[in-house]
Amino acid sequence: EDQVTQSPEALRLQEGESSSLNCSYTVSGLRGLFWYRQDPGKGPEFLFTLYSAGEEKEKERLKATLTKKESFLHITAPKPEDSATYLCADLDTGRRALTFGSGTRLQVQP
Amino acid sequence: EPEVTQTPSHQVTQMGQEVILRCVPISNHLYFYWYRQILGQKVEFLVSFYNNEISEKSEIFDDQFSVERPDGSNFTLKIRSTKLEDSAMYFCASSEWGKSTGELFFGEGSRLTVL
Repeated sequence: EDQVTQSPEALRLQEGESSSLNCSYTVSGLRGLFWYRQDPGKGPEFLFTLYSAGEEKEKERLKATLTKKESFLHITAPKPEDSATYLCADLDTGRRALTFGSGTRLQVQP
Repeated sequence: EPEVTQTPSHQVTQMGQEVILRCVPISNHLYFYWYRQILGQKVEFLVSFYNNEISEKSEIFDDQFSVERPDGSNFTLKIRSTKLEDSAMYFCASSEWGKSTGELFFGEGSRLTVL
């Protein structure tokens, strides 16, 4: 069974304090690894797609990387507006259904 | 910026009643999805829909659930006889043809409360 595990569950940072979020997946035929941001009471918002080990994507203060069994979301010098839950999801070969992790709830304090 | 819109934002219903949740996907998108999120739990896939038929469904999507695209713009999720455990936030999503099937645009959700 495909499983996506995210850690930590929650993370509190001071503004400017960089850190990384972890996502591990078990699917053997990875078709894509996706990062989403979810604000309270809202739907997930797409951030990145990663397809193969070694790939990196960047957007403002966020950088996503992928290894064979893990992905990391690095947050550099975060701001309070980066506070949200960050969701990781994978897509198995031949399927259309994303399997989401439980998310990391990030709080950035000014 | 184009967006997926969902109605109602919140619906309260009695157990056993039928509920229809409505979605207007982004106009040039061809793939449509329903996901749900029970409070405090993961986002879970329910069903995907393409070319007027279901392309994939999860174990959650049993005979009590159905989807329909009644016209060129709406996409609906019907729950025939609601149960307490159907209480959740239901998200509609859509994606473009040719784009990665994981790059979804989600609506803001419809919160369903079953009493």
